[in-house]
Amino acid sequence: GAVVSQHPSWVICKSGTSVKIECRSLDFQATTMFWYRQFPKQSLMLMATSNEGSKATYEQGVEKDKFLINHASLTLSTLTVTSAHPEDSSFYICSAPNWGTEYQETQYFGPGTRLLVL
Amino acid sequence: AQSVSQHNHHVILSEAASLELGCNYSYGGTVNLFWYVQYPGQHLQLLLKYFSGDPLVKGIKGFEAEFIKSKFSFNLRKPSVQWSDTAEYFCAVNSGNTPLVFGKGTRLSVIA
Repeated sequence: GAVVSQHPSWVICKSGTSVKIECRSLDFQATTMFWYRQFPKQSLMLMATSNEGSKATYEQGVEKDKFLINHASLTLSTLTVTSAHPEDSSFYICSAPNWGTEYQETQYFGPGTRLLVL
Repeated sequence: AQSVSQHNHHVILSEAASLELGCNYSYGGTVNLFWYVQYPGQHLQLLLKYFSGDPLVKGIKGFEAEFIKSKFSFNLRKPSVQWSDTAEYFCAVNSGNTPLVFGKGTRLSVIA
């Protein structure tokens, strides 16, 4: 199956610093990638849709200046949490859709990045 | 807007017991339905998916799900669970190639 990686898997930072998270599709190309956030014992909430070569589309309530998304190539999307604060501590997960034999896209998920802001 | 409801927050079963996890969605149009599993400390993995055709879908590890359009349901089943099935299970839906909308998840604990 398709493989999606994320780096780093864990990051601990001080309040006020910026953190960059990478999402890569390893064996397929993805013009679109999705960024989710998962709080403990809760479901995944879509934050934004990353579009290769154009601006990301953010969900309502997600600050685009806070969560900068860059989709510079067909295999890489980055999420930068700018001036992170403790309330940004969460589990960030990306996914990338890949075409299957059913002529529909299935999303494949990265392993996630756990961010802890002190 | 689409939404997904998973009625069971936490299910505890003994090994070899049968499993059924409920999933209902709200959307009037054509939907694609998915079940993902998240084992402790691991990332989301696709268990099975339904796009069209036979409403009874078989996935990996002995799981299956049945799409009942009239009930807007896509329940996950397994006839005999194992300890290794302990995980969080998420039902998700989209339409066409839109982003997935997830349910809140059901935690399954299988005890020996």
